[in-house]
Amino acid sequence: GAGVSQSPSNKVTEKGKDVELRCDPISGHTALYWYRQSLGQGLEFLIYFQGNSAPDKSGLPSDRFSAERTGGSVSTLTIQRTQQEDSAVYLCASSLGGGVEELFFGEGSRLTVL
Amino acid sequence: GDSVTQMEGPVTLSEEAFLTINCTYTATGYPSLFWYVQYPGEGLQLLLKATKADDKGSNKGFEATYRKETTSFHLEKGSVQVSDSAVYFCALSDRNDYKLSFGAGTTVTVRA
Repeated sequence: GAGVSQSPSNKVTEKGKDVELRCDPISGHTALYWYRQSLGQGLEFLIYFQGNSAPDKSGLPSDRFSAERTGGSVSTLTIQRTQQEDSAVYLCASSLGGGVEELFFGEGSRLTVL
Repeated sequence: GDSVTQMEGPVTLSEEAFLTINCTYTATGYPSLFWYVQYPGEGLQLLLKATKADDKGSNKGFEATYRKETTSFHLEKGSVQVSDSAVYFCALSDRNDYKLSFGAGTTVTVRA
């Protein structure tokens, strides 16, 4: 597609379950970002990929969070043993190069942990 | 660390009213500044940007000027339309960095 695609758009899970969120960036974009948006909060940076490498994982809130990117394209954010405080909208963005001149965002995956 | 503080919302206006959303920043370097907008049901998209002091970014009738002396990047539009109803995010990126730091967002509703 023409834009950044994220799936699922909406996920409800029970506390303790694992979830996977997927991001398909714009074709040819080498940089990929994950952000988290909690209710009433700004966007919180989670992780940045350049190609398949993640030079900055500093925003991942705990070791329950992990992410990978394969083929310089699709990325998966995995949250293990979900907690209620993980409930948020997870946003993926991509950009053409390593800079942040313009990020292109997907519509997000809304995660609700019961 | 680098951070952005923007005006709290929500903001409700009538069509053709003047809109200002305040944004101030804290940064150790020389950041680039951005306004992103999120229309209902859509992803965030870049509205405008400025990369150095005194630059003015403009798009769709919106303007913001990079003021280093006041560390501000306020967003303005002279005459809003219903279609401007959205959430607006101020953001910065330090030149030595590769990621954006965002404000909390300001929800703007324009009534006909």
